[in-house]
Amino acid sequence: EVQLVQSGAEVKKPGESLKISCKGSGYNFTNYWIGWVRQMPGKGLEWMGIIYPGDSDTRYNPSFQGQVTISADKSISTAYLQWSSLKASDTAMYYCARSVGGYYDYWGQGTLVTVSS
Amino acid sequence: EIVLTQSPGTLSLSPGERATLSCRASQSVSSSYLAWYQQKPGQAPRLLIYGASSRATGIPDRFSGSGSGTDFTLTISRLEPEDFAVFYCQQYGGSPRTFGQGTKVEIK
Repeated sequence: EVQLVQSGAEVKKPGESLKISCKGSGYNFTNYWIGWVRQMPGKGLEWMGIIYPGDSDTRYNPSFQGQVTISADKSISTAYLQWSSLKASDTAMYYCARSVGGYYDYWGQGTLVTVSS
Repeated sequence: EIVLTQSPGTLSLSPGERATLSCRASQSVSSSYLAWYQQKPGQAPRLLIYGASSRATGIPDRFSGSGSGTDFTLTISRLEPEDFAVFYCQQYGGSPRTFGQGTKVEIK
C-alpha cells in the first residue's frame, strides 16, 4: 500500500527555522516525483515545487523560489520542505503528494505549521 | 503561468441531483493535462480525474470529466451525501503547475 506520512504539527516563532518531512512507503520512492502544496487557512491549494528523489532534480514555483528549500534523502525514502526564517504568513497546512506525470495520486496527511510570536 | 478559474464558487444542491463544475484555463492546456480533486474538511485532497476524463482508481462512475483546450467540466451524475466537499482542478501541462480556486458543493 502506497503511503506518504508527514511529520507532526509545528508551532514556531517568526524568524525561526523549520524542516518538515514526508516519508514514502509501499513503492519505489526514487522513481516518482514528490510535490509540495500549501493551503493557507480557509484558502485553496498552491503548488510550491517538486523533487525527483532519484537524482534530487528540483523545480520551484517562482512564487516560492528563495522562500523555501525542497530536498530529499532517497536512502530513507523521505522528502523535506524547509524554511530558514519563518514569517507569520507561512502559517498554513502543507501537503506532500506523489506525482504521476504531473498529477498527484497519493497525498500525505498534511503538516500544520503555525508561526506566531 | 496558466490561471485556472473555477465556477461557480459555491453550488447548493440536494442529494440525488446532478452537479456540473467548470474549470476554465487562461491558455490552452496541452494534451488535456487537467486533473480534478475532492477535498473534505480536515482531509487531504483526493484525486478523482486525470487526463481530463480518466477516473482514478476506486472513483465511482458517477464522477466524470470532460473538456479540452481551455474549458473543462467535472460532472457528478447523482450526488451522494458523501460527495459534498470542495473540488479543485489542476493543470499539469505547463510550469508552474496551478490549481483553480475551488468550487464548494454544499447541501441545499
